[in-house]
Amino acid sequence: AQSVTQPDIHITVSEGASLELRCNYSYGATPYLFWYVQSPGQGLQLLLKYFSGDTLVQGIKGFEAEFKRSQSSFNLRKPSVHWSDAAEYFCAVGGGNKLVFGAGTILRVKS
Amino acid sequence: GAVVSQHPSWVICKSGTSVKIECRSLDFQATTMFWYRQFPKQSLMLMATSNEGSKATYEQGVEKDKFLINHASLTLSTLTVTSAHPEDSSFYICSATSTGTVNTEAFFGQGTRLTVV
Repeated sequence: AQSVTQPDIHITVSEGASLELRCNYSYGATPYLFWYVQSPGQGLQLLLKYFSGDTLVQGIKGFEAEFKRSQSSFNLRKPSVHWSDAAEYFCAVGGGNKLVFGAGTILRVKS
Repeated sequence: GAVVSQHPSWVICKSGTSVKIECRSLDFQATTMFWYRQFPKQSLMLMATSNEGSKATYEQGVEKDKFLINHASLTLSTLTVTSAHPEDSSFYICSATSTGTVNTEAFFGQGTRLTVV
């Protein structure tokens, strides 16, 4: 069965600092991997996705993620966090026509 | 990106009444729409998958008779919460994709906050 683990429920970083959000997945085949961001009371916005090819994926808003098959990970990174990045971030794995989401990581940015 | 509009954004209803939530794809034809439920501080749980013109496929544990899903056109799917109870209070989110496979980006609505009193 597919599953996604986001080990960190909350993360707080200073504005301008680098960020890494962890995501580990379990999937029996080559996964489709996604990162979404959700602002309070809003729907989800796709940050980036990995289907195949280059394992370092660039997304919107300066985010990137690296697929590491050996570690079953797809961590999200940003070199310099802005206050507007404060939100909840969801990692998801897909196969067929379904997405399975992780529990989410709430990012707080302190000035 | 494509736009998915969900209406209403929030609704308060009395126990025992029914509530309908609409999910529209504004600028593309949505072959497949998904309905999720999100409990406070938790992730999204897929409730059902609907394909235009077909009956919805419900996930295990989701009551079909309570959560009625209709996908009558390529741009509209509705979720009706029947005989609502306070435990149905939640954040409901739809997503839509132009194909039935996950390797096509799914676009999400802004969600509907349902409160049953």
